[in-house]
Amino acid sequence: QKEVEQDPGPLSVPEGAIVSLNCTYSNSAFQYFMWYRQYSRKGPELLMYTYSSGNKEDGRFTAQVDKSSKYISLFIRDSQPSDSATYLCAMSEFQGAQKLVFGQGTRLTINP
Amino acid sequence: GAGVSQSPRYKVAKRGQDVALRCDPISGHVSLFWYQQALGQGPEFLTYFQNEAQLDKSGLPSDRFFAERPEGSVSTLKIQRTQQEDSAVYLCASSAGTHSNQPQHFGDGTRLSIL
Repeated sequence: QKEVEQDPGPLSVPEGAIVSLNCTYSNSAFQYFMWYRQYSRKGPELLMYTYSSGNKEDGRFTAQVDKSSKYISLFIRDSQPSDSATYLCAMSEFQGAQKLVFGQGTRLTINP
Repeated sequence: GAGVSQSPRYKVAKRGQDVALRCDPISGHVSLFWYQQALGQGPEFLTYFQNEAQLDKSGLPSDRFFAERPEGSVSTLKIQRTQQEDSAVYLCASSAGTHSNQPQHFGDGTRLSIL
């Protein structure tokens, strides 16, 4: 079983819808949680970065972390066709190696 | 440059050949990472440098993979005697500090195809 599980989709929603993406993890040492967006043939682009549990909002994006359930979410409000991409969750421990552990990625399509 | 730069963007090699992939991190970034991304999968960690020191190489899949960062800036990932399972996108990332609270910024990767 992988340390980080993410439904690969694909997920297709109409423009303007609220999108919910999520990941579960098994390593309780993870303290930093990130969401990256990756367009085709491009590198991952950092969207949201949170430490420990709680919510963080940035424009149309909201990240939630529930460490007790080992569950993280990304919500996209008023989704746009330009949001169509693969969304990757990533995590790292507080101390020791900084390496990121990624989920498989969810492929999202926003239909005009 | 403003971001992480990787070259070449695409590399095709025959099985058994050696390849070298280059990464130019963001100027001044202390930490540098290499990841391997298979088709339809998330990136997987290969190795980590802090300045010129390779502090973690636990993700390198075999002794055919070798990475260096001799002057603490540009890094090269070398794969010897390539095999078909080495076909993947190789991503480089850099961060400003040495702690997990520093976000990693990625380049666009080198897409390696082994025939």
